[in-house]
This record gives sequence, structure tokens and C-alpha cells, in this order.
Amino acid sequence: TQLLEQSPQFLSIQEGENLTVYCNSSSVFSSLQWYRQEPGEGPVLLVTVVTGGEVKKLKRLTFQFGDARKDSSLHITAAQPGDTGLYLCAGVPTGTYKYIFGTGTRLKVLA
Amino acid sequence: SQTIHQWPATLVQPVGSPLSLECTVEGTSNPNLYWYRQAAGRGLQLLFYSVGIGQISSEVPQNLSASRPQDRQFILSSKKLLLSDSGFYLCAWSDLYSTDTQYFGPGTRLTVL
Repeated sequence: TQLLEQSPQFLSIQEGENLTVYCNSSSVFSSLQWYRQEPGEGPVLLVTVVTGGEVKKLKRLTFQFGDARKDSSLHITAAQPGDTGLYLCAGVPTGTYKYIFGTGTRLKVLA
Repeated sequence: SQTIHQWPATLVQPVGSPLSLECTVEGTSNPNLYWYRQAAGRGLQLLFYSVGIGQISSEVPQNLSASRPQDRQFILSSKKLLLSDSGFYLCAWSDLYSTDTQYFGPGTRLTVL
């Protein structure tokens, strides 16, 4: 069974702090995505990483794909209340069309 | 541009009643289509995916079924709902030849009483 473990599960921080969310697996993925989801809505894609070791930046968000394409991290610098939400990672195992989703990280940024 | 529609947005059904959720995609051809279920505040569980008309792969044994009668239409059904079928159901699509990006519909909140 292919699993994606996300940590931490819950995170409550003050505005201006930095944080990192991790997404780990023993499987190799051809690509890995990060999504953010608001309550009652579908997930919205933030970024896709496809190359081992790849780093992508989206304003204050930095995404990294592990060299072996088995793990990824999301780092947020100077978090703001608008960053509050459920963050999901999802990977496509090599040779498939299926997406395996992580367990999710619920982030709350306090003003 | 591509858009994905799901309906209904919310649904309250009694145990034992049938279910039909519909998903349609516009602005693309031959998409891969997916049905997911999400428990409150958690990750998504893949239920079914389809790489073409009439081609359905089931990921978990359950009393749900899926059909793809047209290229851009994906339907999730049940003959008799269970309490455990309650949840947030999401439809998604990706490009046939690239899984780098997946787009989600707005979701259907199903409550089985």
C-alpha cells in the first residue's frame, strides 16, 4: 500500500512565524503536488514538483522535492492569517495515473 | 479555459436510499477523471478513476459505483446508502497525458441519516 505521511497534523502559530510541513513516503513518485483547501471547497493546486531536488517558490511559500522523489516539504516564511487552511500533498506513483493524498496538515495562523 | 462542475452541492439522504452525483468537465477532451471522498479535515481517499469512456478503476470495495457515459461526464452512484457513506465527495480531472496537475470541482456534502 502506497502511503504519504504528512506532519505535523495540526499547527497553530502566531502571525510572522515560520513553519515547515513535511510529506514522506517509501514510494517513488513521478510528480508531487501541494494543495490548499478551505472548508467546504475543493482543494486548490499550489505547486507541482517533478524533478528530484527541485525547489519552487511561490511568494512566501517554498516547496522542495526530495532527491529520491520520495518526499517533499513546504516552508512558509512570515506566516499570515490568510495562510490558514488545510494543506495537502499528493503524489503520483511512477507508472500510474492515480494520486495518493497525504493525511493533511491543518494550519491556523493567529493574528 | 477548463471548468469542472459538480452537483448537487449538498445532499441529505436517508439510509437505504439511492445516490447519484454528477460531475462534468468543460474545455478539455479525453481527461482522466477521479472521484474522492474526504472525511472532515482529513486527506482525500481515491474511490474511482477513469482514463476513458467506460473504463473505470475501483480503489476500495464499497457499495458505491461509478460510470462514465460520456467523455467529460463522471457519475458516482449507490443503490442503497449507508451511514458510513456520509462525507465530502470531490470530482477531479487531469490531462490524459500528464498527471502534473489535477483540478478539483467544488464538492458535494453528503449526509446520510
